[in-house]
Amino acid sequence: AQSVSQHNHHVILSEAASLELGCNYSYGGTVNLFWYVQYPGQHLQLLLKYFSGDPLVKGIKGFEAEFIKSKFSFNLRKPSVQWSDTAEYFCAVNKNTGKLIFGQGTTLQVKP
Amino acid sequence: GAGVSQTPSNKVTEKGKYVELRCDPISGHTALYWYRQSLGQGPEFLIYFQGTGAADDSGLPNDRFFAVRPEGSVSTLKIQRTERGDSAVYLCASSASQGNEQFFGPGTRLTVL
Repeated sequence: AQSVSQHNHHVILSEAASLELGCNYSYGGTVNLFWYVQYPGQHLQLLLKYFSGDPLVKGIKGFEAEFIKSKFSFNLRKPSVQWSDTAEYFCAVNKNTGKLIFGQGTTLQVKP
Repeated sequence: GAGVSQTPSNKVTEKGKYVELRCDPISGHTALYWYRQSLGQGPEFLIYFQGTGAADDSGLPNDRFFAVRPEGSVSTLKIQRTERGDSAVYLCASSASQGNEQFFGPGTRLTVL
């Protein structure tokens, strides 16, 4: 079945540590890729998206993600996390339809 | 401007009852989406509308679930004969057109006792 996999379910980091969250998908062909974040008590918000072009995508709050087509991956990175990055992170994919398929999420806890 | 709003924010009902969940999308957004999120999981697609019509309802779990968007704006998700397994957060999102960035509402937490 077509799916999105996030390998890290719960990540604990200290402030200033570097972050990389894995995301792999199993769809063939052209896909659109997204990372959403949900801060405690808030809505899902878009962090960044990839539709086409430069496979290294910059998002808000210093996040970036790299699309590697050969690996079906779209990993999220941040060089130095802050306590305020504590949140749940979701990778999602669609194929130019409305339907977003989400991974199961990664809970990031940043210790001050 | 105003974001996506959903009412009620919380709904507690008894098994077997009927519930309606409402979504007000961002003004001018033609596409509207419903997802369901269970604890510890990512959102799961239910249905989306392009205008008034359901463009894809492949995620509706069974015929107890139905959604409408009669005027191409507000949408209502209707669940008949609720079951305990329907307990989840129901999320609504809208986008300017299909395939574009989806803006999510705060969700309705449904608890079926």
